[in-house]
Amino acid sequence: GAVVSQHPSRVICKSGTSVKIECRSLDFQATTMFWYRQFPKKSLMLMATSNEGSKATYEQGVEKDKFLINHASLTLSTLTVTSAHPEDSSFYICSAPREYQETQYFGPGTRLLVL
Amino acid sequence: AQSVTQPDIHITVSEGASLELRCNYSYGATPYLFWYVQSPGQGLQLLLKYFSGDTLVQGIKGFEAEFKRSQSSFNLRKPSVHWSDAAEYFCAVYGGATNKLIFGTGTLLAVQP
Repeated sequence: GAVVSQHPSRVICKSGTSVKIECRSLDFQATTMFWYRQFPKKSLMLMATSNEGSKATYEQGVEKDKFLINHASLTLSTLTVTSAHPEDSSFYICSAPREYQETQYFGPGTRLLVL
Repeated sequence: AQSVTQPDIHITVSEGASLELRCNYSYGATPYLFWYVQSPGQGLQLLLKYFSGDTLVQGIKGFEAEFKRSQSSFNLRKPSVHWSDAAEYFCAVYGGATNKLIFGTGTLLAVQP
């Protein structure tokens, strides 16, 4: 069964609003979670590493103020897309390592559409 | 720098036929290698992984992959494809020093009846 969940699965919002996406590890604790963005017919692009108890680590070119990440507990990380614009429309996927740091389990993804 | 190449963007096979999806990696040390599958609109599911030991690894859904260090390859195989195997397949390498998964661009598999 699923070990990582995401909510919501899809969201439509107006330009200028903020959207929060949750990522939960269901039956294990994750001190680290990862947030990816996937464009249509493209691979996954790592956006940031979410660290419980400390600041997230962002990849080069990812706007920290645009994509706010909070690792609130050992089972929850949130990604907030602030002042969303149509170009932020994408498929966002989170992952968390379970037994070993090398093996990541992925959430089902969140489809964001900004009108 | 670590990288993963999947040379085939799109592959079509007939149901019941064998399948091989290619993956080449670039990594300085012994790599940790993965194959993931993504169905439309879904997250990624881990098919199999290679860390060390036997270079032929078995995964779920009847898939296997062979690690060939001399060729820097980790090709995914299945002897008989089912229609439900139609999906996108991603090869990935774990960059230990960076603690990140590096993905290939994916191969979209279509299965003909």
